[in-house]
Amino acid sequence: SYVLTQPPSVSVAPGQTARITCGGNNIGSKSVHWYQQKPGQAPVLVVYDDSDRPSGIPERFSGSNSGNTATLTISRVEAGDEADYYCQVWDSSSDHPDVVFGGGTKLTVL
Amino acid sequence: EVQLVESGGGLVKPGGSLRLSCAASGFTFSSYSMNWVRQAPGKGLEWVSSISSSSSYIYYADSVKGRFTISRDNAKNSLYLQMNSLRAEDTAVYYCARERGITGTSAFDIWGQGTMVTVSS
Repeated sequence: SYVLTQPPSVSVAPGQTARITCGGNNIGSKSVHWYQQKPGQAPVLVVYDDSDRPSGIPERFSGSNSGNTATLTISRVEAGDEADYYCQVWDSSSDHPDVVFGGGTKLTVL
Repeated sequence: EVQLVESGGGLVKPGGSLRLSCAASGFTFSSYSMNWVRQAPGKGLEWVSSISSSSSYIYYADSVKGRFTISRDNAKNSLYLQMNSLRAEDTAVYYCARERGITGTSAFDIWGQGTMVTVSS
């Protein structure tokens, strides 16, 4: 089965740029989606199809995807960005589509 | 307002059954594929099952195949998850989530608040 690998944690100072990676075999050939989850809350979609933003998501959130790594970039990080972030793809390598989530990355704002 | 509201969670003994429901409002429910995603306490997200808009396509994670059944009633704007032969490892918050586009590629753009399922004797 397809595996997505995320770093368990990323720390960044307010105002700086946070980069959260998501590794997978030839992930550049897939559409990658990113979710933000704050404690006790449901996940929120922040980037879809590698680099598109849903309405209401700040431009500070951006995404890229190439080769074996997709990246969520959060510019000018704010205290309110502290959360868990998950990448997600659909994998069709088996006889039916599967949804795969990365293990999640805890973003800490110092 | 676009909204998903889950219900039906609770405490159940190992081997027992539970039926979760998800009520949709604020959008044309019958036009969207829907999913169940769960999260064990302190753990990450795990996809459970997907159903296309007309129920033509249904998929399950290997961990629940043969035990869980997803269904929907478009006339009632509702999604369901029948869970049988429950195990301790099924303990989790269960979220229903809407797919924003074509099944098999799309992101989940709307999520419910979740319902907790605890499997314990």
